[in-house]
Amino acid sequence: NAGVTQTPKFQVLKTGQSMTLQCAQDMNHNSMYWYRQDPGMGLRLIYYSASEGTTDKGEVPNGYNVSRLNKREFSLRLESAAPSQTSVYFCASSEYGGNYGYTFGSGTRLTVV
Amino acid sequence: AQSVSQHNHHVILSEAASLELGCNYSYGGTVNLFWYVQYPGQHLQLLLKYFSGDPLVKGIKGFEAEFIKSKFSFNLRKPSVQWSDTAEYFCAVSGATNKLIFGTGTLLAVQP
Repeated sequence: NAGVTQTPKFQVLKTGQSMTLQCAQDMNHNSMYWYRQDPGMGLRLIYYSASEGTTDKGEVPNGYNVSRLNKREFSLRLESAAPSQTSVYFCASSEYGGNYGYTFGSGTRLTVV
Repeated sequence: AQSVSQHNHHVILSEAASLELGCNYSYGGTVNLFWYVQYPGQHLQLLLKYFSGDPLVKGIKGFEAEFIKSKFSFNLRKPSVQWSDTAEYFCAVSGATNKLIFGTGTLLAVQP
């Protein structure tokens, strides 16, 4: 099993450019999540999707949008990238929500210049 | 609101030393507790988890953690660390929101 797959692994954007981070899981999990990881700040939840067809804001949603395309795929879009969005982005999935833990993808390292 | 505190931000140990990383959470209800590890350049992997029952939980690679409800703590321990344990360690809690809340992480460096 591949688990949770994220693409791309690395990306450099110019300020104002847009891009979509892709995430797919093959474990038939219901819930999917997007986190950003910044030094000294741990992981902060951007958006999540408790089940197919639903999405909700997390702790730091500003500047981002998401799409739960189907049960497998959950994408994160930056409409107009800003240097403050330079970070490592992790996608995660869970069968029954956070109470049972998550499986994480390998991350996308994004730099906005 | 739920929160998780990891008081040790950066720990440096020599090989064979004992390890204890602190984790405290703020939530009075039923919680599930987790420790994740992130090796350099890799994604987060589950070390161990506590749902209920025996408060002493054993995980992979010789790690264990003890849930002390009265202290709202879930400290991670290992009797003897190895160089390969160099990584960042995250404590996480899940409760009423059914989402994981992470601490800010502890960076462990083990010197050979």
